[in-house]
Amino acid sequence: DVKVTQSSRYLVKRTGEKVFLECVQDMDHENMFWYRQDPGLGLRLIYFSYDVKMKEKGDIPEGYSVSREKKERFSLILESASTNQTSMYLCASSFGFWEQFFGPGTRLTVL
Amino acid sequence: GIQVEQSPPDLILQEGANSTLRCNFSDSVNNLQWFHQNPWGQLINLFYIPSGTKQNGRLSATTVATERYSLLYISSSQTTDSGVYFCAVPRNIQGAQKLVFGQGTRLTINP
Repeated sequence: DVKVTQSSRYLVKRTGEKVFLECVQDMDHENMFWYRQDPGLGLRLIYFSYDVKMKEKGDIPEGYSVSREKKERFSLILESASTNQTSMYLCASSFGFWEQFFGPGTRLTVL
Repeated sequence: GIQVEQSPPDLILQEGANSTLRCNFSDSVNNLQWFHQNPWGQLINLFYIPSGTKQNGRLSATTVATERYSLLYISSSQTTDSGVYFCAVPRNIQGAQKLVFGQGTRLTINP
């Protein structure tokens, strides 16, 4: 079975802090994705990566950056957290054009 | 871009009832995924179904790609079926596929 794990289920941070969200997959997938989910806005793509050290912006990349130094790990970075980044963050991975598998999610609250 | 609409937005049923959830999409697609988001927020893969019909226990799904819709059937509902059901269709981006999600159907199964 595909397994996608995320470093934290719940996270509380203060405005201005640098925040790292980690995602690891164990299926040697080349594609990895970060989405955020907000009530009324649904799921939106922040960034994705189609290979190690490769990254592309999604629909809402402002305020975020990413890092992919190893194939199995994809990190989402909030350089200076703000209250409007309070959200549910979901990581996913896929092989080529096939189905995506999601991690358990991280509920981030920025105070 | 492609639009994905799900109906109904909310559905409340008694345990044991059957239900049909619908997903309409505005453009041709080469695959479609159905997910169940559990109360803890994780997206669980239900079906990867470009066309035709698939069954998994009490759940089945049918996609009619030529008419741009998919249906998810849940028979003999159980309280554990409660949650939000999403359909998602892909959009090709730089060698991968971004998922475009519908707004979801919130299913509540009462004992």
